[in-house]
Amino acid sequence: NAGVMQNPRHLVRRRGQEARLRCSPMKGHSHVYWYRQLPEEGLKFMVYLQKENIIDESGMPKERFSAEFPKEGPSILRIQQVVRGDSAAYFCASSPLGQGAREQYFGPGTRLTVT
Amino acid sequence: AQTVTQSQPEMSVQEAETVTLSCTYDTSENNYYLFWYKQPPSRQMILVIRQEAYKQQNATENRFSVNFQKAAKSFSLKISDSQLGDTAMYFCAFMNHYSGGGADGLTFGKGTHLIIQP
Repeated sequence: NAGVMQNPRHLVRRRGQEARLRCSPMKGHSHVYWYRQLPEEGLKFMVYLQKENIIDESGMPKERFSAEFPKEGPSILRIQQVVRGDSAAYFCASSPLGQGAREQYFGPGTRLTVT
Repeated sequence: AQTVTQSQPEMSVQEAETVTLSCTYDTSENNYYLFWYKQPPSRQMILVIRQEAYKQQNATENRFSVNFQKAAKSFSLKISDSQLGDTAMYFCAFMNHYSGGGADGLTFGKGTHLIIQP
């Protein structure tokens, strides 16, 4: 059973460009979470999605950031007009539907560098 | 809002020793989950152990065990017979539990860098 997959693993963007980060959850998982990790910091929750629904986006910056999890295909975290402060590691995690399924399984992360 | 505090930025022990990492948290909720995640140099986040707040018995996974003190809001991780491969960042994390079965994002502490010396 393949784990959570994220691509690309490394992404370099110039200021003002768009960054698209992809996450494919584990097979059978229908919940996806995105987290951001700044250098020397713990992970910070950004958004929680189920298929075609945003459940909780309380951790998302109000501007330039958006996320989706379509019926088919991976979840996408999109950052428009990137700035240097967006440089970070972005982790996706997935969780299965159902009671007792509280563990979140993490992907390897995407390291975004804004130059 | 919940907060998670890890007061030890870095710890270093000799191989085969026992080490305890501390974690405290603050919440007004009664039902929740607590986790320890490990992040080795590869940066992959690996679940080490979890604890349900309604369970009094401390969770154990092989060499890893927790000391969960609900009243004190304390959740420490003990690693016995430490190995070189245990060298990593360790993050304590909190998750709310909703009666309807809904899930929640994790709230993480800032981490403890554990170094196992040969």
